[in-house]
Amino acid sequence: NAGVTQTPKFQVLKTGQSMTLQCAQDMNHEYMSWYRQDPGMGLRLIHYSVGAGITDQGEVPNGYNVSRSTTEDFPLRLLSAAPSQTSVYFCASSHRASGRNNEQFFGPGTRLTVL
Amino acid sequence: KQEVTQIPAALSVPEGENLVLNCSFTDSAIYNLQWFRQDPGKGLTSLLLIQSSQREQTSGRLNASLDKSSGRSTLYIAASQPGDSATYLCAVSLGSARQLTFGSGTQLTVLP
Repeated sequence: NAGVTQTPKFQVLKTGQSMTLQCAQDMNHEYMSWYRQDPGMGLRLIHYSVGAGITDQGEVPNGYNVSRSTTEDFPLRLLSAAPSQTSVYFCASSHRASGRNNEQFFGPGTRLTVL
Repeated sequence: KQEVTQIPAALSVPEGENLVLNCSFTDSAIYNLQWFRQDPGKGLTSLLLIQSSQREQTSGRLNASLDKSSGRSTLYIAASQPGDSATYLCAVSLGSARQLTFGSGTQLTVLP
């Protein structure tokens, strides 16, 4: 298994540009989430999904869109990039089942800089 | 709103010492608690997962405890090694999708 994969690893955008951060998992996990990590702020939840076709907002959703058309993929879209969105973005996934199977696994991250 | 606090923010110890990292949370209605390790510029690696009904979990030199009623967890690292140097993050899970709320982490340096 490749686990949770994210592309690209690095990206530089200009203010106002749009882009999509890709996230995929091959563990058949129902739950997927996006977090951003900023110095002094820790990791904060942006959006999450409990299954294909179902998404919801987290703590910091403004400026981001998500969709979940398949179990495997959960892309994060920046509609009009702003310098405040400069951050490291992590995707995570886990099983819905209770017990040890709901350990959360994280991707390697995407480092985004918005100029 | 759930808040997670980790103390200390940074810790430096000589190799071989046993150490304890602390995590506290404000809402005891958690689903589980997970400890992660993060190396500089890297992603998060899961170390231990404790279900809300459990008191502790062990993996090798690591032992994590959970006291849900007092809102506390500790991560005990035995016989620390320079390779243990990293940032350790505590996260509690609650909500329909087990959303995680993270602490700010403890940056550990183990000196050779």
